[in-house]
Amino acid sequence: QLQLQESGPGLVKPSETLSLTCTVSGGSISSSSHYWGWIRQPPGKGLEWIGSIYYSGSTYYNPSLKSRVTISVDTSKNQFSLKLSSVTAADTAVYYCARQNRYTSSWWDYWGQGTLVTVSS
Amino acid sequence: QSALTQPASVSGSPGQSITISCTGTTSEVGSYNLVSWYQQHPGKAPKLMIYEGSKRPSGVSNRFSGSKSGNTASLTISGLQAEDEADYYCCSYAGSVVFGGGTKLTVL
Repeated sequence: QLQLQESGPGLVKPSETLSLTCTVSGGSISSSSHYWGWIRQPPGKGLEWIGSIYYSGSTYYNPSLKSRVTISVDTSKNQFSLKLSSVTAADTAVYYCARQNRYTSSWWDYWGQGTLVTVSS
Repeated sequence: QSALTQPASVSGSPGQSITISCTGTTSEVGSYNLVSWYQQHPGKAPKLMIYEGSKRPSGVSNRFSGSKSGNTASLTISGLQAEDEADYYCCSYAGSVVFGGGTKLTVL
């Protein structure tokens, strides 16, 4: 059974960089059929897609966050990572990593449990 | 790219059927069967319920069904049960991934 697990600091100071890692177990991140992505959910609000990566390193990002986002992959560790720079309180959210269907890019079948990141001094 | 439009809330009694709508542009909803639906209980990760418009993943109850008319996709839950009470989100892709704002389903 595929599992995804987010890890990283739960508290980040304003203007600093948020860094999270997603570890994939029970399957290979080097799947030709899938992207791997990050989605966030501010407290009490809806879901927002951040960006996605293919195991080759090819990425695409939400245009509204593109200038601040970097997603990378480490196939040797079966992990992919998120960096979000210049954070503000508006970036406080539960961050999920998830597996995305590559062919239509429109559905996510496995999700991590999510990790709350709070931006505060 | 704006979020897909969903009603903020819907409600129904046990045993009834309810439908949640998801409206977008022609490229987001109307042209292809790309809409997926997610169920989210409080404090939990979203769960895929419907993909590519009307397909159900293995293990999802056949009480959940998806359809589309024009630029509006719909999720129908029949035989409503207490455990169906949750938030529901639609999602699509049109050069970029976009989610709906979410609908809170209350089982009366």
